[in-house]
Amino acid sequence: EDQVTQSPEALRLQEGESSSLNCSYTVSGLRGLFWYRQDPGKGPEFLFTLYSAGEEKEKERLKATLTKKESFLHITAPKPEDSATYLCAVQILTGGGNKLTFGTGTQLKVEL
Amino acid sequence: GAGVSQSPSNKVTEKGKDVELRCDPISGHTALYWYRQSLGQGLEFLIYFQGNSAPDKSGLPSDRFSAERTGGSVSTLTIQRTQQEDSAVYLCASSLARVDTDTQYFGPGTRLTVL
Repeated sequence: EDQVTQSPEALRLQEGESSSLNCSYTVSGLRGLFWYRQDPGKGPEFLFTLYSAGEEKEKERLKATLTKKESFLHITAPKPEDSATYLCAVQILTGGGNKLTFGTGTQLKVEL
Repeated sequence: GAGVSQSPSNKVTEKGKDVELRCDPISGHTALYWYRQSLGQGLEFLIYFQGNSAPDKSGLPSDRFSAERTGGSVSTLTIQRTQQEDSAVYLCASSLARVDTDTQYFGPGTRLTVL
């Protein structure tokens, strides 16, 4: 069974304190790994898609990386506006259609 | 351009009543998905529509749940005889369903509360 596990469940950082969120996955064949950001009361907002081990993508203070078993979302010098829940999801190659299987998310709080 | 829209944004109903939730996908997106997000749980896949193909209903939790997509665009998720455990945020997403990349874009969700 496809599984996605995110850690930590919650993370509190001071402004400017860099850190990483983890997403480990067990799937039969990975088609893509997706990162989303979700603010309270809103739908998930797309951040990145990664397809193969070694791939990296960056957007402002965020950088996502992928290995064969896990993905990291690195946050450099975070600001309070980066506070949100970050969701990781996988899409598998065959038998899963195009559905996404999500982890339970990491709730990030960045304080001044 | 316009994103995915959902209505209503909030719905409060009594146990045993039927509810309908609506989703308007991004124009031109051929694939449409419904997910459910319960408190403390991850997003759970419910159903997937792609063009004129038969929908993938493998995630529907019971036969009280059904969905249709008319004219390849708007979709309605119907929950019959609602139960308290149906309380959740129901999210709709759409995508271009390309073979190489299939980014799903989500709407704001409908928060359903069953009393």
